[in-house]
Amino acid sequence: GAVVSQHPSWVICKSGTSVKIECRSLDFQATTMFWYRQFPKQSLMLMATSNEGSKATYEQGVEKDKFLINHASLTLSTLTVTSAHPEDSSFYICSAKHRESNYGYTFGSGTRLTVV
Amino acid sequence: GDSVTQMEGPVTLSEEAFLTINCTYTATGYPSLFWYVQYPGEGLQLLLKATKADDKGSNKGFEATYRKETTSFHLEKGSVQVSDSAVYFCAPQEGVQGAQKLVFGQGTRLTINP
Repeated sequence: GAVVSQHPSWVICKSGTSVKIECRSLDFQATTMFWYRQFPKQSLMLMATSNEGSKATYEQGVEKDKFLINHASLTLSTLTVTSAHPEDSSFYICSAKHRESNYGYTFGSGTRLTVV
Repeated sequence: GDSVTQMEGPVTLSEEAFLTINCTYTATGYPSLFWYVQYPGEGLQLLLKATKADDKGSNKGFEATYRKETTSFHLEKGSVQVSDSAVYFCAPQEGVQGAQKLVFGQGTRLTINP
């Protein structure tokens, strides 16, 4: 099956520091990866779409200089929350789209970020 | 862009009850349709999907039929279990080939009591 590993599963950081979240497709090549943010008891908000080797496409209202996305290979994408503040505290989830379209989208287990 | 409306939760049922979670969408064309489930503290897992009109997706006793006429993809299960307690998301896939993405509904929290 298609497995996506997201790391770390939770992180606590101080206000003003940066945090990097990794998303890896373990047994398939992901042509596209997606980053979502989920607030408590709410739906997933798509933040950005990244294709391997190209710049990410950010959704309206998402600050690209604050949420840096790198998709350096077909199996790895990273999201860096720069100069984090308490309002950035949230659950971040990545998703990878399999090269073979029949497999659809596979989600990571999420990262709980708490900024103190 | 496309949008999706899900039945508002939370939904609380007793074990072995019949479940329906409504989902309707607006889209140009005929998108593939997905249901995802999120268990507490976890990411999303694909529950089922349908890629064209009248297709029925099914998995773990859950079913949903792609209804083009009513632009709906309601989720049903004949007899729910406590382990089905989770948040369920309906998601059509929007965009053109090569630039597709999922659009999520607000999610429906389901609690099954023994």
